[in-house]
Amino acid sequence: DTGVSQNPRHKITKRGQNVTFRCDPISEHNRLYWYRQTLGQGPEFLTYFQNEAQLEKSRLLSDRFSAERPKGSFSTLEIQRTEQGDSAMYLCASSRGQETQYFGPGTRLLVL
Amino acid sequence: RKEVEQDPGPFNVPEGATVAFNCTYSNSASQSFFWYRQDCRKEPKLLMSVYSSGNEDGRFTAQLNRASQYISLLIRDSKLSDSATYLCVVNKERPGGSYIPTFGRGTSLIVHP
Repeated sequence: DTGVSQNPRHKITKRGQNVTFRCDPISEHNRLYWYRQTLGQGPEFLTYFQNEAQLEKSRLLSDRFSAERPKGSFSTLEIQRTEQGDSAMYLCASSRGQETQYFGPGTRLLVL
Repeated sequence: RKEVEQDPGPFNVPEGATVAFNCTYSNSASQSFFWYRQDCRKEPKLLMSVYSSGNEDGRFTAQLNRASQYISLLIRDSKLSDSATYLCVVNKERPGGSYIPTFGRGTSLIVHP
């Protein structure tokens, strides 16, 4: 399968803990995006990378959130000191330039 | 006002019906437009891009009205398998060539026998 993969698929954590998610994009795609989606809403843009450079960050991305793409391939999204409001589906997508975005299956986070 | 607005529905239609969704956007600098489909508990998948002149792909037709700042999606001869949430996406270009994709909340379609 050469699509976008995300790990883990599900994560349950206690409030205050740190969590890290990984996204592996389609190999020839230079752009990688992170989104958050809650029930009944569309995906909300968090940030995106072109190769290893983080080009845009949403105001939604508070100081507790950080994303990296160190070698321009896979990316990680870390949430520090999780809060119950962080419970959501975290989606990763990749694209070649401004072409179609292909989404991964998402990581579903539940903060207790 | 949200940047991208969609009627959440649900739209309940019988098989074979024609159904249309609209999506309005607030930023006139928006550059490109798409419709995505999302099945329950699955990731979004591209349905079609929306071009200025309008475009068609089988039973699906997408149109863009820049003057009124909306895009539309028309589905003809609805199938049961068309039941899903339809998300519109508007890309706003930023200085330096980057852009921010903004999704609407989606319109739910239920096609019944």
